[in-house]
Amino acid sequence: DIQMTQSPSSLSATIGDRLTITCRASQGINNYLAWYQQKPGKVPKLLIYAASTLQSGVPSRFSGSGSGTDFTLTISSLQPEDVAIYYCQGYNSAPITFGQGTRLDIK
Amino acid sequence: QPQLQESGPGLVQPSETLSLTCTVSRGSVSSTAYYWAWIRQPPGKGLESIGSIYYSGTTYYNSSLKSRVTMSVDTSRNRFSLKLSSVTAADTAVYYCARLNGYYGVGYLDYWGPGALVTVSS
Repeated sequence: DIQMTQSPSSLSATIGDRLTITCRASQGINNYLAWYQQKPGKVPKLLIYAASTLQSGVPSRFSGSGSGTDFTLTISSLQPEDVAIYYCQGYNSAPITFGQGTRLDIK
Repeated sequence: QPQLQESGPGLVQPSETLSLTCTVSRGSVSSTAYYWAWIRQPPGKGLESIGSIYYSGTTYYNSSLKSRVTMSVDTSRNRFSLKLSSVTAADTAVYYCARLNGYYGVGYLDYWGPGALVTVSS
């Protein structure tokens, strides 16, 4: 199975900051990469698929990039409602696999 | 937009079989465009894929759970199900069903159920 590794595991930032979360696949997965946001006590929500395609309704401050083994999720201007755990998920082959998550909070 | 809802016992005895059903509304499990997936999340931990199923009954299971997992689909009732045998406390988790947008058991999860907490305890 393909392993997905996220960094950092936790992140604390200030409102308005630009920040980046990284996800690395153990082997190349082309652009078959999704990002999810899970707010406390809530269901995971799809943010981005195909590495850089924003899911309908997701604010434009979220963006994704990368291909092959290295991917990034960027929040251009952190908002209070972005406090959550963010997961990447690779889907080049079955089974789909998730990164361990990155916990984001506000300083 | 499809809606998914998990149902099943919230408490399972160790060594028994966990059984959950996901009922889909405003969408069809018979769609040829999607698979239907199960994901779980132990308390305070991350997400783990269990597997997925197509309307035809084709399944893909996570290799770490494969020996204990059975998935099925009931197109007449527009629902799909999960059975996990020989459970232990390590199987205590919130179990989510979701629509997998992709093919051959791979894709991204665009719609999720609210989740069902299943506790394994005597």
